[in-house]
Amino acid sequence: DADVTQTPRNRITKTGKRIMLECSQTKGHDRMYWYRQDPGLGLQLIYYSFDVKDINKGEISDGYSVSRQAQAKFSLSLESAIPNQTALYFCATSAGGREINEQFFGPGTRLTVL
Amino acid sequence: RKEVEQDPGPFNVPEGATVAFNCTYSNSASQSFFWYRQDCRKEPKLLMSVYSSGNEDGRFTAQLNRASQYISLLIRDSKLSDSATYLCVVNRSAGNKLTFGGGTRVLVKP
Repeated sequence: DADVTQTPRNRITKTGKRIMLECSQTKGHDRMYWYRQDPGLGLQLIYYSFDVKDINKGEISDGYSVSRQAQAKFSLSLESAIPNQTALYFCATSAGGREINEQFFGPGTRLTVL
Repeated sequence: RKEVEQDPGPFNVPEGATVAFNCTYSNSASQSFFWYRQDCRKEPKLLMSVYSSGNEDGRFTAQLNRASQYISLLIRDSKLSDSATYLCVVNRSAGNKLTFGGGTRVLVKP
């Protein structure tokens, strides 16, 4: 079984709709992240959480919100989707501590906003 | 200027050849450096960390040049399976926040 899972894997929606992307992990990691990837731009950090009570904005948080429901679950919401939020979204996890630890990514969610 | 810049490629490489490419970073306070590999439409996966003294992992060699603010990746004896996009990743502060470059695409051909 995959250590980091994302649902849905693909989603097509319309402008103005509310969308939730979910991420679950079985790695026991404290830290979780949401990124979006656009062609040629690399991954951009949307939000991150270092534990259940910790939520932090990343580089491009406008238009997004998150919820850390448990250590293993981190969901990303688009309250009112717009076409420029069409992208590939990745969830990632890493272990805590002072060192910079490897991030493990989920398989991604391809979101299209019409 | 982007914080982490890479030549997007593609680098077309004959099987068995050597290919090398660089990544530049703008923040001199950057502390940790990595190469991630991403196959088409798949998630990124850590290829290797980059240490100050340079490091090697099989056919892959990574170098860091702090004075000129770039890191490099060299792939020897390229295999068809090395075809992928290679993401340069930099951490510039305490905490596990990473900044990703746009990636360099490598295509290894028979």
